[in-house]
Amino acid sequence: DAKTTQPTSMDCAEGRAANLPCNHSTISGNEYVYWYRQIHSQGPQYIIHGLKNNETNEMASLIITEDRKSSTLILPHATLRDTAVYYCIVRPTNAGKSTFGDGTTLTVKP
Amino acid sequence: EAGVVQSPRYKIIEKKQPVAFWCNPISGHNTLYWYLQNLGQGPELLIRYENEEAVDDSQLPKDRFSAERLKGVDSTLKIQPAELGDSAVYLCASSLGTSQETQYFGPGTRLLVL
Repeated sequence: DAKTTQPTSMDCAEGRAANLPCNHSTISGNEYVYWYRQIHSQGPQYIIHGLKNNETNEMASLIITEDRKSSTLILPHATLRDTAVYYCIVRPTNAGKSTFGDGTTLTVKP
Repeated sequence: EAGVVQSPRYKIIEKKQPVAFWCNPISGHNTLYWYLQNLGQGPELLIRYENEEAVDDSQLPKDRFSAERLKGVDSTLKIQPAELGDSAVYLCASSLGTSQETQYFGPGTRLLVL
């Protein structure tokens, strides 16, 4: 699995957009980018994933650069409940193993 | 639809004692994962099952850890004997299949070894 690099921590004001970056410069052509988040004392929760195109769902948007070496998770209107650790993962579709790094701790402040 | 169920939620034992964790995946999910999560770190895969078969157990410390998934549904992870360094959160996750990366996690079992 390709390795990912994320900032250790970020702050965001409530109601503003939170943009969480992830570098995956060694990503292969068949590897997807997945994002999960983990709220304190809970298990990780799936957010979104993508291959090449930008993706949007009810939780977030995923922007993948054209060379696919980096991506950004966007929470359009962050709330206090979005305070969590956010994990960026890359893996091929035919492999069952996901390698979680240490993620980015996002703190949304009032 | 019920999510991944794990029990117990918390467990405190003395070192050298055995301990077992139970996981019930989402109905219809063929792939089941056990992860270990130390404080301040991301989850680390211990073992992955495809139905009843353990297809990736390379990170499972086999001298003291064991797991089983009878009938390809529920799974049990056991530690015997437990050591102080085993204190962590043990997470179970399931997915439809190997190619379906969307994993659904349970709340985890927090183990404290004294």
